[in-house]
Amino acid sequence: AQKITQTQPGMFVQEKEAVTLDCTYDTSDQSYGLFWYKQPSSGEMIFLIYQGSYDEQNATEGRYSLNFQKARKSANLVISASQLGDSAMYFCAMNRVQGGSEKLVFGKGTKLTVNP
Amino acid sequence: SAVISQKPSRDICQRGTSLTIQCQVDSQVTMMFWYRQQPGQSLTLIATANQGSEATYESGFVIDKFPISRPNLTFSTLTVSNMSPEDSSIYLCSVRGYRYTGELFFGEGSRLTVL
Repeated sequence: AQKITQTQPGMFVQEKEAVTLDCTYDTSDQSYGLFWYKQPSSGEMIFLIYQGSYDEQNATEGRYSLNFQKARKSANLVISASQLGDSAMYFCAMNRVQGGSEKLVFGKGTKLTVNP
Repeated sequence: SAVISQKPSRDICQRGTSLTIQCQVDSQVTMMFWYRQQPGQSLTLIATANQGSEATYESGFVIDKFPISRPNLTFSTLTVSNMSPEDSSIYLCSVRGYRYTGELFFGEGSRLTVL
């Protein structure tokens, strides 16, 4: 079974600074995908970034980058130059690639607060 | 990205009643997914809804409690039946993204409170 662990219930960061949100995962699959989603107080889930298990380079999307350490089974999200609008819940998730599964297993999330 | 609209956005319901949540997508999609997010918890997949066939439910979720309709390629409903306070959650509709297997676009969710 797949499992996602986010050990930081809450994180605080000053505006314009970088912050790392931790995510570790457990799976016996060889091929899998890792995702980060942002959930503002409005409730919608916003896709941020994806990392495939066979991707050799860390994924980047604008101010978001994923620090992927396969041997450690970690997929930490790095947000650079934090903005007030980054305050939200952040969820790490994974899926099984074989069979094209859309079933995502989510972690419990980290609440990020960006202070001015 | 797909635009997904959900109704209602929030509701307060009485124990024992049922509520139907609607999900409208701005493009035709084969599969739609319903997730539940209980207070302070992560998201859990309830079921996958294919147009023209019965929904596929995940372990722990049954059709009698969460009946789903999928009348066409842009619309689905999820009913939460015989509600109890434990059903107080955000219910989210989602569809596939375009770039990665597993990438999902979500609606804004329907926040239900059961008294």
